[in-house]
Amino acid sequence: DADVTQTPRNRITKTGKRIMLECSQTKGHDRMYWYRQDPGLGLRLIYYSFDVKDINKGEISDGYSVSRQAQAKFSLSLESAIPNQTALYFCATSDYNAYNEQFFGPGTRLTVL
Amino acid sequence: AQTVTQSQPEMSVQEAETVTLSCTYDTSESNYYLFWYKQPPSRQMILVIRQEAYKQQNATENRFSVNFQKAAKSFSLKISDSQLGDTAMYFCAFMNIQGGSEKLVFGKGTKLTVNP
Repeated sequence: DADVTQTPRNRITKTGKRIMLECSQTKGHDRMYWYRQDPGLGLRLIYYSFDVKDINKGEISDGYSVSRQAQAKFSLSLESAIPNQTALYFCATSDYNAYNEQFFGPGTRLTVL
Repeated sequence: AQTVTQSQPEMSVQEAETVTLSCTYDTSESNYYLFWYKQPPSRQMILVIRQEAYKQQNATENRFSVNFQKAAKSFSLKISDSQLGDTAMYFCAFMNIQGGSEKLVFGKGTKLTVNP
């Protein structure tokens, strides 16, 4: 089984709809991240959380919110989706160690019509 | 703020040959990590190699090696004996580890195609 899972893998929604992307991990890591990937722009950080009580904004948090329901779960919400939020969304996890490697989920392809 | 620049949007190489992908970064920090991630068509992000800034020795992982020039803020990836499975997007990434921020900043990526 995958260590970092994301649901759904693909989603098509309409402008104005509320949508939630979910991330779960079995790696036992404290730190979780949400990134957005757009063609030609690489990955950009939306939000990150270093533990259940810690939520921090990233580079592009406007229009998004997150919830850290448990150590293993970190959800990303779009309260009112708009077409320019069409992108590939990645969840990642890491554990504080000498290497700080981040492990990525398989991604969620979101299309907002 | 840190920035990462990959100046080659696309590259191609013949199978079994060597190719080098460029990456430069801008930071005022002295303690950081650098990474190369691979994203094949499956879209999974896979760590290829990492380099700690305090280490002078260049990292290597099998056919993958880096040329880390700290003073020039350059971090290139060399792929030797290229294989068809190396076809992917490659992202250079920077992580500042001072102050507990530990956020990855990515470049825009280089699309590498390995031709048979």
